[in-house]
Amino acid sequence: DAGVIQSPRHEVTEMGQEVTLRCKPISGHDYLFWYRQTMMRGLELLIYFNNNVPIDDSGMPEDRFSAKMPNASFSTLKIQPSEPRDSAVYFCASSPINRPNTEAFFGQGTRLTVV
Amino acid sequence: TQLLEQSPQFLSIQEGENLTVYCNSSSVFSSLQWYRQEPGEGPVLLVTVVTGGEVKKLKRLTFQFGDARKDSSLHITAAQPGDTGLYLCAGVMNYGGSQGNLIFGKGTKLSVKP
Repeated sequence: DAGVIQSPRHEVTEMGQEVTLRCKPISGHDYLFWYRQTMMRGLELLIYFNNNVPIDDSGMPEDRFSAKMPNASFSTLKIQPSEPRDSAVYFCASSPINRPNTEAFFGQGTRLTVV
Repeated sequence: TQLLEQSPQFLSIQEGENLTVYCNSSSVFSSLQWYRQEPGEGPVLLVTVVTGGEVKKLKRLTFQFGDARKDSSLHITAAQPGDTGLYLCAGVMNYGGSQGNLIFGKGTKLSVKP
């Protein structure tokens, strides 16, 4: 398996524009997570899905952020409108089982810069 | 408030030296994971510790979970340049037990110079 695939790897956009980040989890994994990483706050969980259903979105910072998982092999994280403070590296991760000992497999991330 | 505090934040050492990084909290975790993240990549799991007082070894890396399951340490013996990276600890809170409750520290950025 190719692992978790995220696109794009880098995104530079102007403030106010809509940004869509994409993720393809590992086939067969039932859980998908979106994280955001910054120097100030570290790695934060934004939202996670189980079998394509959002389970916990309490980490989503504002209504400007939304995430969908239309099928088991694809998820999107959308920011509309984007702001400079949204600049960060966004990671998608997937996991086969939602247990404490289970490894989360991370993608390479999307580095978002909002100018 | 950061639930998991990692120290030191940055560490720069010479090849061959030993080092220890720490992950501390006032909260109890049902388990704790250590990840390593290299520049431009996502974190990769190194180990999971579950039992208070547990010690796990992975080649030159030794991981320990505190007796009270509130803290953990990672010791590297004879560090090599390939050990360079960001070391993250992540804990699962002692309720629910789901991956969604995985809390990450900010990490220790290690640089090993040849």
